[in-house]
Parts: sequence; structure tokens; C-alpha cells
Amino acid sequence: QKEVEQNSGPLSVPEGAIASLNCTYSDRGSQSFFWYRQYSGKSPELIMFIYSNGDKEDGRFTAQLNKASQYVSLLIRDSQPSDSATYLCALGGFSGGYNKLIFGAGTRLAVHP
Amino acid sequence: DGGITQSPKYLFRKEGQNVTLSCEQNLNHDAMYWYRQDPGQGLRLIYYSQIVNDFQKGDIAEGYSVSREKKESFPLTVTSAQKNPTAFYLCASNPNSNQPQHFGDGTRLSIL
Repeated sequence: QKEVEQNSGPLSVPEGAIASLNCTYSDRGSQSFFWYRQYSGKSPELIMFIYSNGDKEDGRFTAQLNKASQYVSLLIRDSQPSDSATYLCALGGFSGGYNKLIFGAGTRLAVHP
Repeated sequence: DGGITQSPKYLFRKEGQNVTLSCEQNLNHDAMYWYRQDPGQGLRLIYYSQIVNDFQKGDIAEGYSVSREKKESFPLTVTSAQKNPTAFYLCASNPNSNQPQHFGDGTRLSIL
């Protein structure tokens, strides 16, 4: 089992809809969770981070964390074509003597007009 | 403006050649990282450094080397021992290892 699992997609949603991106993980010791957006050919850009169970909202983005079920989600409200990108889930944890991020392979989101 | 600068944007390597990718940050961050990304894959950690003059191997360090002589700079050398170097290389930094990482624009390396 991979440490961080994401559905590769593409997830296709119409403009204005809610896009729901999910990430499951295997390490119960993970303490910090990050969502990055990566446009094709570009570097990842931090969207959200969450450390505690529950929801965290920032504009059109909501991160949801459920440590008991070992999943973290990203909701994008009022999706726009400019949201079309790959979304990377990353987990922080202490492993091998240092704090590190472990990335999922990403979910490709396509928002169509 | 503060940020992370990677150069060059594109790099081509000949057989048996070592090449060095530059990463400079003016964010006063202690921790710096190098990742490799292959098409359709997530990021894999090559090396990381938490302080000057100290660095540790990540998950895929074979065929790579780094130095951290200055806080601002963390260059990555792709040696001839790395037989499959074609990838997108990303440098990142954060104030300390518990904070979110921020990335440079990346260097795309190809074999001639």
C-alpha cells in the first residue's frame, strides 16, 4: 500500500460546481497535511494546510481532516476553469530521523465551462 | 521580492557528464530540499538540509550530491552515476521542517 493515495483522475466538474478531492494515508503518526496545486509544467503552489481534525476554510477552499479514518479532503466551491490543475496531497511526519513531506501522485482536476 | 530562484530553467546533460542545478533563496529559511518529479508521479525527496554545513539523504539520493556552504544556497549535482536523470527538479524551503514548504520554479533536465 502506498503511503499517500490519491485518485489520479481526471475529475471533471462543470464550472460553478463543487470539486471534491480526496486523499487517504497509511501513517497514523502523520501530524500535518498540505494541499498543493500544480499547473502543467509549473512548480507546486501551497493551497491549504491543516493540522487538526475538522474543517479549515480559506476563501473557496475547504480542507477536511479525519485522522481516525485517515483521510484528508479538499473542497473547491464555485469551481472555475482556472482551477484546472493537478492537486497534490502531502503529509508531514517524522521518519528516518527527520521531518519530511510525503507526496501523493496527485489528482488531475478539469473544470469545463 | 523574497523567493526561491532555480537556474537554469532547462538543462541538457551529455553521457558521462556531471551537471549542477542552482537553488538560491532570500527568505532566510533554515531548511532546504531537493525533489525529483517524473511524469504523472508525485515528488520524491533527493536530499534535504536543516542548517548550514549539514545535509541528509532523502529517499532517492543515489547518483546525486549536494552542498550547503551558505544559508541561501543549496546546489544539486546530478552525477554520471545517475543513469536516468531526465526529470523535473524542484527546490523547496521552509523556516523549519514543521512549516509548509514553498517551491522554486524548477529545472527540467534532459539527456542529449
